[in-house]
Amino acid sequence: EAQVTQNPRYLITVTGKKLTVTCSQNMNHEYMSWYRQDPGLGLRQIYYSMNVEVTDKGDVPEGYKVSRKEKRNFPLILESPSPNQTSLYFCASSRSSDGPGDEQYFGPGTRLTVT
Amino acid sequence: KQEVTQIPAALSVPEGENLVLNCSFTDSAIYNLQWFRQDPGKGLTSLLLIQSSQREQTSGRLNASLDKSSGRSTLYIAASQPGDSATYLCAVRADTGFQKLVFGTGTRLLVSP
Repeated sequence: EAQVTQNPRYLITVTGKKLTVTCSQNMNHEYMSWYRQDPGLGLRQIYYSMNVEVTDKGDVPEGYKVSRKEKRNFPLILESPSPNQTSLYFCASSRSSDGPGDEQYFGPGTRLTVT
Repeated sequence: KQEVTQIPAALSVPEGENLVLNCSFTDSAIYNLQWFRQDPGKGLTSLLLIQSSQREQTSGRLNASLDKSSGRSTLYIAASQPGDSATYLCAVRADTGFQKLVFGTGTRLLVSP
């Protein structure tokens, strides 16, 4: 089954403790990205990757890092989490970075709470 | 800066009604527009994608239209069912910025039996 998976689905952590949220897709998609969803603000893009070893900032990249060493994986790293990073995080992928007919497929989300 | 607005924020209807969800965007230079459904705990599911050169797309009981010049899209749901209850999100992909989607804040739909 074609899918985007994220782990963990739920995470409660404390300020400053480094964490990684994993994202994997099995569709051989070139493009992957991370969004966060906050009440009243909708979904906002954090980082994106057009292919292996090619990443760039989205609209709200502060406090986050990413890497794309393999095509299928795109982990999101919070080096020193803070309470304002409490949010619902989604990973997404798309067949290419610029195809006008390419749908974006989303993972199930990771609910992160930073205390 | 592209902004996407969805009205109404919430909608409650009895089963069987036909309904329309609205989405408007401020910059008409879009590449495509995508409608998603969000169920609690299950992420986002893509419903329909309309390319900028298209006027509408249909899938089953769903029909989405796009009027790029006026910055509007509508999602029409025919013969609504309780299983349609979810939050519906509209997202536009800008002409530039590759696959970045700009989302509206959604319409929460409740269909009562």
